[in-house]
Amino acid sequence: ETGVTQTPRHLVMGMTNKKSLKCEQHLGHNAMYWYKQSAKKPLELMFVYNFKEQTENNSVPSRFSPECPNSSHLFLHLHTLQPEDSALYLCASSPTGPVGDTQYFGPGTRLTVL
Amino acid sequence: TQLLEQSPQFLSIQEGENLTVYCNSSSVFSSLQWYRQEPGEGPVLLVTVVTGGEVKKLKRLTFQFGDARKDSSLHITAAQPGDTGLYLCAVLLYNQGGKLIFGQGTELSVKP
Repeated sequence: ETGVTQTPRHLVMGMTNKKSLKCEQHLGHNAMYWYKQSAKKPLELMFVYNFKEQTENNSVPSRFSPECPNSSHLFLHLHTLQPEDSALYLCASSPTGPVGDTQYFGPGTRLTVL
Repeated sequence: TQLLEQSPQFLSIQEGENLTVYCNSSSVFSSLQWYRQEPGEGPVLLVTVVTGGEVKKLKRLTFQFGDARKDSSLHITAAQPGDTGLYLCAVLLYNQGGKLIFGQGTELSVKP
């Protein structure tokens, strides 16, 4: 148990669906991250939030929309996804900004887009 | 080309064997991290190495940072089934706001 929870753990959706992934951290951290982990590819950083402000958008398509209402919660809203978006989506948090801080990862949401 | 190249990509061994996995780059880094990701879980930080030539030990795991700080190795002695997982190396790019960049990982399977 790392103190970072993600729901749902598995999600299957059609290309026309709209769904949301949720991440919650119980560590009192101020920075939160979304990563994408595809088969045979390195973990890719998608978004960074520091004190609820988005500080990094790593050229992610607009069909992925993040939301950070407070320092403990992070959402990833999904709409009109493509089959190639199927992957494990990992959330992480760290005490402050990314530089030099250890990141703590959640267990991920396994997403399948049909 | 990926910034970090890990080898081998897959490794299947018997319990009790020793193994070494590698993380290589042509770039110099101020530090390098190793993570382990077990099936169904997120990565967990094992160690951070910061000094060229540094060796750190974590029970049966030995981590080494290359003298030139471009590469690193992870050696496991007497592997056990509980060591099964994906081993990832990663670096923080301070000139890119501290972005954490990962290698593609080595998938280790230790059979009883």
